[in-house]
Amino acid sequence: RKEVEQDPGPFNVPEGATVAFNCTYSNSASQSFFWYRQDCRKEPKLLMSVYSSGNEDGRFTAQLNRASQYISLLIRDSKLSDSATYLCVADSRNDYKLSFGAGTTVTVRA
Amino acid sequence: ETGVTQSPTHLIKTRGQQVTLRCSSQSGHNTVSWYQQALGQGPQFIFQYYREEENGRGNFPPRFSGLQFPNYSSELNVNALELDDSALYLCASSLANSPLHFGNGTRLTVT
Repeated sequence: RKEVEQDPGPFNVPEGATVAFNCTYSNSASQSFFWYRQDCRKEPKLLMSVYSSGNEDGRFTAQLNRASQYISLLIRDSKLSDSATYLCVADSRNDYKLSFGAGTTVTVRA
Repeated sequence: ETGVTQSPTHLIKTRGQQVTLRCSSQSGHNTVSWYQQALGQGPQFIFQYYREEENGRGNFPPRFSGLQFPNYSSELNVNALELDDSALYLCASSLANSPLHFGNGTRLTVT
């Protein structure tokens, strides 16, 4: 079983739509969670950290559900520039590595 | 502030050869992590270095080795290259318990 699993998508949405997707993590000891954005053939870039209480950064909202061990990302008012692969990441206090999901592809169309 | 830089950006090697990839960490960051990203997959943790010592290792064979230097720059060495080693190799630097900041990667092709 993979440590972090994501729906690969693709999610094809029109501009202005809301899109949301989840990922699940298997290590209950994970303490830190992140969403990274990766454009085609580029390096991943930090989109936002995910906090227990949930957090918002502009049009992006991240939620953490520890009981069910999943993380969600919601994008409101989608822009063409939001088209990318979104990587879900979980850490473990007892480990040194970050575990990445395989990514969820989002395509925003005009 | 200088970001993470990696060299070379692209590399083509033949099966059985050895390769060295280089990474300069972001200014002030003392931890360097290396990841391998195959096409269509998420990055997979190779190992991490903190103050010149290996500080954790993923499920990669011993032919993957690394170094960190006093200035916190790092090298990833891969011996006896295999076709499956073809991937994007990402270096990331960080301070302890902070998010990773990735370099633009080295795309390795093994033929």
